[in-house]
Amino acid sequence: DAGVIQSPRHEVTEMGQEVTLRCKPISGHNSLFWYRQTMMRGLELLIYFNNNVPIDDSGMPEDRFSAKMPNASFSTLKIQPSEPRDSAVYFCASSLGEGQPQHFGDGTRLSIL
Amino acid sequence: DQQVKQNSPSLSVQEGRISILNCDYTNSMFDYFLWYKKYPAEGPTFLISISSIKDKNEDGRFTVFLNKSAKHLSLHIVPSQPGDSAVYFCAAKENYGQNFVFGPGTRLSVLP
Repeated sequence: DAGVIQSPRHEVTEMGQEVTLRCKPISGHNSLFWYRQTMMRGLELLIYFNNNVPIDDSGMPEDRFSAKMPNASFSTLKIQPSEPRDSAVYFCASSLGEGQPQHFGDGTRLSIL
Repeated sequence: DQQVKQNSPSLSVQEGRISILNCDYTNSMFDYFLWYKKYPAEGPTFLISISSIKDKNEDGRFTVFLNKSAKHLSLHIVPSQPGDSAVYFCAAKENYGQNFVFGPGTRLSVLP
């Protein structure tokens, strides 16, 4: 039973470069979430989608961040241009919908040099 | 300002004893709460949930208690096992939407 799949698991790049994180949610799940985890701020919700439509992006830190969900089985989180302070672990999660627990992927550890 | 607080960064418990992890929240609109467990290099895993219409929910060795007047919930693990050693996150949301707010986590170590 495949869980949420994220790629890459690790990404190291230089500041100013574009970074794209990918997520495949659990089949049949209607909601998808992107989180960022840092030592300072813990686990923060960046954005979530219901049925491929962005519902709440109030957690997206700045215009350098963007997220898309072109279909029910794929989502991307893009940072352009990247900065060292974007270094964190980024998690994707999916759920069956309102009030249902979220299932997390194993995260992408991003390091911006 | 943190809306969900877990004031104990770490907790050590002997195997077989009870582990009690605490969580406090400030937003009185929160009405649904979850606990997640997280191992290193993995994503959080859902453990147990409780809605504000209940004050207790039990699932095997895990029980969550909710005290709405005190804005406090706790997770009890009985008996504790070495495999329970992980970071535990409390999360909460309001009635509508799916914007879960997570606490900073408590690292539990169960000693054999």
